Amino acid sequence: AQSVTQLDSQVPVFEEAPVELRCNYSSSVSVYLFWYVQYPNQGLQLLLKYLSGSTLVESINGFEAEFNKSQTSFHLRKPSVHISDTAEYFCAVSLSGAGSYQLTFGKGTKLSVIP
Amino acid sequence: ETGVTQTPRHLVMGMTNKKSLKCEQHLGHNAMYWYKQSAKKPLELMFVYSLEERVENNSVPSRFSPECPNSSHLFLHLHTLQPEDSALYLCASSQSTGELFFGEGSRLTVL
Repeated sequence: AQSVTQLDSQVPVFEEAPVELRCNYSSSVSVYLFWYVQYPNQGLQLLLKYLSGSTLVESINGFEAEFNKSQTSFHLRKPSVHISDTAEYFCAVSLSGAGSYQLTFGKGTKLSVIP
Repeated sequence: ETGVTQTPRHLVMGMTNKKSLKCEQHLGHNAMYWYKQSAKKPLELMFVYSLEERVENNSVPSRFSPECPNSSHLFLHLHTLQPEDSALYLCASSQSTGELFFGEGSRLTVL
């Protein structure tokens, strides 16, 4: 079975500073990787995903994540954060070709952007 | 209308009560899910319905009873819950192996 570790439960960062949210996974077979975001009092929304192809994937609001197979990582980065990025971010993994119901989520990282 | 709608948004119940959570999706998806979100724990998958048939049941206590009358509606019936069942219950839907679309959740407090 696969597992996900998000190393930081909380990350405070000043506005316009860069941020990296770390995610490591464990699996003996090929995986799909996802980042979901949860804004206060809302459900989760897909931010970006890696299924195959280019190991660098980007979201529409400036986040990017790079799949690193050798380090089994899928860290999320943004070069300059905004107040509106304050939210909880969840990394998730599923086996390649598996259905969505086989997603395994990490415990989440709360990003707080400080004005 | 939002893609996945959950009602009620907040629910307070005693341990002897019977209540239900409702989820409706307007996206034409063929799979629906119940997740439990507790503080400082990973998101827990409770139930999955695909084409109205239950395909996943992750050892959830019988005091939680799901119902999927059609591909657009999903219920979670609650009976004799415990205080540790207090959590945010999230409904989601998907199409085949596509991304999950979540509702805003139902915040449950068991007294």
